[in-house]
Amino acid sequence: ETGVTQTPRHLVMGMTNKKSLKCEQHLGHNAMYWYKQSAKKPLELMFVYNFKEQTENNSVPSRFSPECPNSSHLFLHLHTLQPEDSALYLCASSQDYGRAVRFFGPGTRLTVL
Amino acid sequence: GESVGLHLPTLSVQEGDNSIINCAYSNSASDYFIWYKQESGKGPQFIIDIRSNMDKRQGQRVTVLLNKTVKHLSLQIAATQPGDSAVYFCAENTGTASKLTFGTGTRLQVTL
Repeated sequence: ETGVTQTPRHLVMGMTNKKSLKCEQHLGHNAMYWYKQSAKKPLELMFVYNFKEQTENNSVPSRFSPECPNSSHLFLHLHTLQPEDSALYLCASSQDYGRAVRFFGPGTRLTVL
Repeated sequence: GESVGLHLPTLSVQEGDNSIINCAYSNSASDYFIWYKQESGKGPQFIIDIRSNMDKRQGQRVTVLLNKTVKHLSLQIAATQPGDSAVYFCAENTGTASKLTFGTGTRLQVTL
């Protein structure tokens, strides 16, 4: 256990569905991240939050909407996704923005039909 | 080494032997590097890091070597064990340590 948990672990959704991914970290960290990992590409940074404020949006389509209600929780809201969005979505945290990411959650395996 | 495309390069090593996994990084200005291990069904796990002012750093059974001249990073695992079977990938950082550029990885298979 890394101290970063994600739910659900697996998700299958249709292109018209709306779903949310949840991440929680129990490490007392101030920065949280969403990454996308697909089979054909290296890990891609999507969003960064530092002290609940979004500090980076890496040109992510608006069908992905992050939410960070507090420093321990991070959500990724999904709607009208495309099949090419199928991937492993990883949440991570670091002590502060500016420190390298050492702790990743187990990921949510998303399949868009 | 690094791979482009769906199929990762695979390194097959016998249990007890040493493993060497290589990574070529792209940016000569990168000043911080990390090796991660990712087992099947799990998220990446930090193994070891190194700053550009160092050539070598050792951890428990692992050593990272950095050659800035040729922009090459390697991870050495001593006495490889079945539990070392995983995908290993490097990451480089230029600027803010939060913003890492990741490689695609090498799959390490440990045979008995």
